[in-house]
Amino acid sequence: DIVLTQSPGTLSLSPGDRATLSCRASQSVSSSYLAWYQQKPGQAPRLLIYGASTRATGIPDRFSGSGSAAALTLTISSLEPEDFAVYYCQQYGTSPLTFGGGTKVEIK
Amino acid sequence: EVQLVQSGAEVKKPGESLKISCKGSGYNFSNYWIGWVRQTPGKGLEWMGIIHPGDSDIRYSQSFQGQVTFSADKSISTVYLQWSALKASDTAMYYCARHRDTSSVDAFEIWGQGTMVTVSS
Repeated sequence: DIVLTQSPGTLSLSPGDRATLSCRASQSVSSSYLAWYQQKPGQAPRLLIYGASTRATGIPDRFSGSGSAAALTLTISSLEPEDFAVYYCQQYGTSPLTFGGGTKVEIK
Repeated sequence: EVQLVQSGAEVKKPGESLKISCKGSGYNFSNYWIGWVRQTPGKGLEWMGIIHPGDSDIRYSQSFQGQVTFSADKSISTVYLQWSALKASDTAMYYCARHRDTSSVDAFEIWGQGTMVTVSS
């Protein structure tokens, strides 16, 4: 199985700060099949980015994705209060589809 | 509005059977693959597999093959996740989620609210 390693585990930032989240795959995966999700407590995950860099419908442009499976990045340009959550990367190019362990973005 | 609505929380004993549901609305239910995702504090998010409601084509994760059964009833826009004999290790939140597009290879764009399954003697 492809293991996705996310770093850091926790990011402590203030509203207005820039957040940079990383994800690395243990094997090659086409960047066409990489996604990012946001999950808040008590809620289902929400798709933010697919194809490594394409924002899903309704996602604000402060969220951006870049990179490849070797070094995938999610950037939140200026944190809003509602952005404090856990973020997961996912690869959907190889079965079984796998998710990273998550990065928690918390208020500093 | 495109949405998936899941059945309510369940508390079961080991060895019991269970079938939970996920009902789609607001789109052509038969055209989009729906997957099941398990979430636990210990293992995080795990992809269990996908089903195509239009023809009931199913792709299981090897980790879940033989442990669960997917099914669909397109006449009522509903997919199901079923266990024949629950184990304590099946305790988890289960999400259904729809692919973003009609491809069998895609990200999950629409998610159900989740069904909490607790298995305890």
